[in-house]
Amino acid sequence: GAGVSQSPSNKVTEKGKDVELRCDPISGHTALYWYRQSLGQGLEFLIYFQGNSAPDKSGLPSDRFSAERTGGSVSTLTIQRTQQEDSAVYLCASSLVGVSMGNTQYFGPGTRLTVL
Amino acid sequence: EDKVVQSPLSLVVHEGDTVTLNCSYEVTNFRSLLWYKQEKKAPTFLFMLTSSGIEKKSGRLSSILDKKELFSILNITATQTGDSAIYLCAPRGNDMRFGAGTRLTVKP
Repeated sequence: GAGVSQSPSNKVTEKGKDVELRCDPISGHTALYWYRQSLGQGLEFLIYFQGNSAPDKSGLPSDRFSAERTGGSVSTLTIQRTQQEDSAVYLCASSLVGVSMGNTQYFGPGTRLTVL
Repeated sequence: EDKVVQSPLSLVVHEGDTVTLNCSYEVTNFRSLLWYKQEKKAPTFLFMLTSSGIEKKSGRLSSILDKKELFSILNITATQTGDSAIYLCAPRGNDMRFGAGTRLTVKP
């Protein structure tokens, strides 16, 4: 069946521009997560959506980062006034239920963002 | 269909014991296999394995990959209570999928 999809797969932008990254989770999955992975680093949690609850934004690195999830399905991560340190692979994952320990998260292929 | 199976699902040991965690996988266009430790929201990276038979070590942790038999193991020697966590295996092919994990509990 269809997995998690993300678009674009690659994005090159100039410093100071805004970017939008899209995630389509697996149909029926109630939880959606955004992570980023910088070169040589581990996964960094950004934000977590669970059903209709208020999202957990505790991982967003600055107020230039925001995300929304419309209709409990598609999510968009927006980075305003991009900086070079924002360059990373942005990964989206979804799971059937919430962030209970041991729940399987299915990851998309990621969006590689390069800020020049 | 791509899949990853970890075993055991749960393991309880005492400090000083050695544990072996297993991960078997089937992925399309395999590129690498990653092990993570999850205590809070985001998994903490442990190892990335790309070649068969080459052991990677970090302190008391080590891991090895068998691309022919499609599995990997994670060993932890002289376990400590701080090793208690969920250990996740994530093979990466066309996409990346985390297994359900092994919940390790280390008792004093």
